Amino acid sequence: AQKITQTQPGMFVQEKEAVTLDCTYDTSDPSYGLFWYKQPSSGEMIFLIYQGSYDQQNATEGRYSLNFQKARKSANLVISASQLGDSAMYFCAMERAAGNKLTFGGGTRVLVKP
Amino acid sequence: GAVVSQHPSRVICKSGTSVKIECRSLDFQATTMFWYRQFPKQSLMLMATSNEGSKATYEQGVEKDKFLINHASLTLSTLTVTSAHPEDSSFYICSACTESSYNEQFFGPGTRLTVL
Repeated sequence: AQKITQTQPGMFVQEKEAVTLDCTYDTSDPSYGLFWYKQPSSGEMIFLIYQGSYDQQNATEGRYSLNFQKARKSANLVISASQLGDSAMYFCAMERAAGNKLTFGGGTRVLVKP
Repeated sequence: GAVVSQHPSRVICKSGTSVKIECRSLDFQATTMFWYRQFPKQSLMLMATSNEGSKATYEQGVEKDKFLINHASLTLSTLTVTSAHPEDSSFYICSACTESSYNEQFFGPGTRLTVL
């Protein structure tokens, strides 16, 4: 069975600073995908970034980067130059090898302070 | 592109009634749709996987007779919460993917169900 763990239930970050959100996972699948989603208070899930287990380089998307350490089974999200609009819940998720099913971590609430 | 809508966005119903939630892919054909449930301050939990033209596959612990899923077309999947009770109050989110989107799921905006 797959398991995703986000150990930080909540954190504050100063505007314009960088923040790292932790995510560790456990799976026996040789091939898998890792996602990060943002969920603002309105509820919609916003896709941020994706990392494939066989990707050689860490994924980056604008201010988002994924620090993928396969041997440690971690996929931390780094948000650079935080903005007030980054305040939201952030979920790490893993795609199962077959069927595109996603397993989500417990989430981390980020509050950006001005 | 890749927009998914849900209707209604919010519904309040009396205990014992049934509620239908629609999930539509507006600009693409969704070969697979997923239904998630999210309780307050908790994560998303996958309820079932819905493929067009076939029976839905339910996750362990999800009652298929209580949560009826119909994926009648490539753009529409419905979730019906039958005989709803207060403990069914939750945020229900659908997502959709296509064969060509490979591993990306496009999420709907969610439906907040409150059962009185």
